[in-house]
Amino acid sequence: DTAVSQTPKYLVTQMGNDKSIKCEQNLGHDTMYWYKQDSKKFLKIMFSYNNKELIINETVPNRFSPKSPDKAHLNLHINSLELGDSAVYFCASSPPRGETQYFGPGTRLLVL
Amino acid sequence: GQSLEQPSEVTAVEGAIVQINCTYQTSGFYGLSWYQQHDGGAPTFLSYNGLDGLEETGRFSSFLSRSDSYGYLLLQELQMKDSASYFCAVLSGGYNKLIFGAGTRLAVHP
Repeated sequence: DTAVSQTPKYLVTQMGNDKSIKCEQNLGHDTMYWYKQDSKKFLKIMFSYNNKELIINETVPNRFSPKSPDKAHLNLHINSLELGDSAVYFCASSPPRGETQYFGPGTRLLVL
Repeated sequence: GQSLEQPSEVTAVEGAIVQINCTYQTSGFYGLSWYQQHDGGAPTFLSYNGLDGLEETGRFSSFLSRSDSYGYLLLQELQMKDSASYFCAVLSGGYNKLIFGAGTRLAVHP
């Protein structure tokens, strides 16, 4: 029944490591997103895909690489993790217009 | 640049009414959304205004004035479970881009 799911829920890792976060939605939406929420709860869009095509690519270090194998999945790979990458990463999906976005439960990333 | 302003904190008592204001300055504006986020949880959609005026959804209402670049979320008959952060977000430009405000933390007291 879960609409938007993410794995893992928690991720604790060392600086310099590479990690991936996976996201899946069963809402039939064509558009998916990655957001970063920092410790002050500021929520900022990172990427958006529409039907497997990258359509929003904000100013994000190129250590972050999204991949959409199909329109129900959007993964985020992060290379050479840094302390400043510690945050909660949310995946979301939406119908075409985007004003109503459905968020996953978040992945809490802590880089030590 | 693009900016959204909303109060950082609001406190109210159970049963009261509270209004959370949001002013925005963005390039390309399609509408204003509101999201609720409980501590440790995910943002959940509350309301959207694409046109000027009031939208009502149960105890929650949202208002938009495009000419004033201003909107608000009105929460009535406050309950303890309404204690959460509330974010206004502008649907800006093309491609479904939501730009979020910094959030307003609402504390509801007995």
